[in-house]
Amino acid sequence: QKEVEQNSGPLSVPEGAIASLNCTYSDRGSQSFFWYRQYSGKSPELIMFIYSNGDKEDGRFTAQLNKASQYVSLLIRDSQPSDSATYLCAVNRAGRRALTFGSGTRLQVQP
Amino acid sequence: DTEVTQTPKHLVMGMTNKKSLKCEQHMGHRAMYWYKQKAKKPPELMFVYSYEKLSINESVPSRFSPECPNSSLLNLHLHALQPEDSALYLCASSQDYRGQETQYFGPGTRLLVL
Repeated sequence: QKEVEQNSGPLSVPEGAIASLNCTYSDRGSQSFFWYRQYSGKSPELIMFIYSNGDKEDGRFTAQLNKASQYVSLLIRDSQPSDSATYLCAVNRAGRRALTFGSGTRLQVQP
Repeated sequence: DTEVTQTPKHLVMGMTNKKSLKCEQHMGHRAMYWYKQKAKKPPELMFVYSYEKLSINESVPSRFSPECPNSSLLNLHLHALQPEDSALYLCASSQDYRGQETQYFGPGTRLLVL
């Protein structure tokens, strides 16, 4: 079992729709959770971070964390073609400074 | 300001060359990282420096040699690389607040080893 799992996609949604990206993790001691967006050929860009159970909203983005289910998700409302990218879920395990990344989900927003 | 800078942006080197990648941040962060990313794969951790001391080395071959001259700078010295080392090399930094650390990435150096 991979430490952080994501569906590789592509996830295709029409412009204006809600895109839902999911991530599961195996280490129950994980403490912090991050979503990065990565355009082809570019470096990862931080979109959201979440530490506590529940929802966290920032503009069109909502991160959801459920530690009991070891599940974190990212919702993108009013998806735009510019949102088309690979979304990386990353987890910070307790006692370890480095991030563990999922393999990423490729999102395609169709105009 | 959440900027991490990296130079050079692109690097082509032969297997006998010695080169260095540079990373700089002025956010007062005390942890700095090197990651390697191959095409269509997630970043893989190579090294972590915390308060200018090497704290994690992910069993990286000795042809990669990290250096942290001060809290703002991180170097990666390259020597006798192999073609399979061609990748995007990413530097990141974080505040080093245990358990809730947000890492910010630089733009990366795209390395091609011939």
